[in-house]
Formats: sequence, structure tokens, C-alpha cells
Amino acid sequence: DTAVSQTPKYLVTQMGNDKSIKCEQNLGHDTMYWYKQDSKKFLKIMFSYNNKELIINETVPNRFSPKSPDKAHLNLHINSLELGDSAVYFCASSPRTTTYEQYFGPGTRLTVT
Amino acid sequence: AQSVSQHNHHVILSEAASLELGCNYSYGGTVNLFWYVQYPGQHLQLLLKYFSGDPLVKGIKGFEAEFIKSKFSFNLRKPSVQWSDTAEYFCAVNTGGFKTIFGAGTRLFVKA
Repeated sequence: DTAVSQTPKYLVTQMGNDKSIKCEQNLGHDTMYWYKQDSKKFLKIMFSYNNKELIINETVPNRFSPKSPDKAHLNLHINSLELGDSAVYFCASSPRTTTYEQYFGPGTRLTVT
Repeated sequence: AQSVSQHNHHVILSEAASLELGCNYSYGGTVNLFWYVQYPGQHLQLLLKYFSGDPLVKGIKGFEAEFIKSKFSFNLRKPSVQWSDTAEYFCAVNTGGFKTIFGAGTRLFVKA
């Protein structure tokens, strides 16, 4: 059983388009995250939701809008895509513990042309 | 601001060599420390974690890490690497909130 799943796995689109990435976790975790991994493999947090509430928004452009319809889902919508948005986007979740270990999804490779 | 530094960006080893990857963080309070591994084309997986107790922690696949509080370090070690250990390794620090800071990663290549 897949713990954290993302769709699509690959996304190729043109500048100016709007796209969405979906994430679902079946681990029963309360907290979910979106990370961006650039071409140099640097991993940076974008958003964090806890029980469907936005907890962290790390100076991400307004073109990026997360939505959490329930605790098991955290989607990412991106408007007016730019070349610099090309990256791998990882969804993750963590349980309600004191350690905040994270479980990552397989990633979505976004290429903007 | 909190930060995590990984000293080596690229490491090349032959099979059976010993491995030590350095990780230092900047935060004076209580921390939870992690090493994650990302095999080629795959997602990040937890390798091991420290949150309290014995500062020497053992993880999967023969990896271990030692937390040295006085040095703000959490170095990853493995006595004998295998070709299958070729991957990107990330050190990460959580200071008790929802935000975890990741290091820039170390790319390990093990020659068969």
C-alpha cells in the first residue's frame, strides 16, 4: 500500500499555464507538507498544514496556493507558471509525535518550457 | 536563523570503504535530528533519527549516527559501504515545531 502518493509523477507545461499537483496520505497523519527540490537537490519547505490549517508558508509566491480538503489530502495549485518553477515537488506527512519525522511521496517532476 | 551544514557535497568511495558524512546545525536548544536518504529516482526515506537518550543511534542498512551536543553535530557513519548505498544523503533538524530544516545534501557514489 502506498503511504504518500502524488499525481502526476511528471508534468510538462508551458509558461503561463496553471497546473495542480495532488497528494494523498493513508497513514492517518495530522500534518502534511510541500517541499521544492531544485536542480541542485536542495530541499526547501514551502507549506505545512496541520489538521487542514495552514501552519507554515515560507515566502512562497502567491501564484502557489495549497489546499487541504481533509487531513489526508494536500493539493498544490500553481498559477501562471514560470521557468523557475521547474523542480521536483515533494509532498510529505508526519504523525502527531514529538519528533516530526516525515514520510515523503514519490515526487512530481515539473518542467516548464 | 537555524541552519544545517553538510560539509561534503560529493563523496566517492570504493566498496568496503568506511563512510562518515558530516552534519552541523546552528540552534542552541533541544533538537530532533534526522538523516534521510534519496536513492536515484526515488523519494526521500528516513534512515535514522535522534530525539533523546543514547546519542549513538542505529538506523537501517547498517548506518549509524552520533549526536555530539557540544559540537552541534550529527555525523552519519557506516563501516563498510556497498554499491547500493549510492544515493543522496540529507541531514535534517527539527527544533520542536512543524518546520524541519534540511541540509544541502551529500551525493555519495560507491564504485563497485
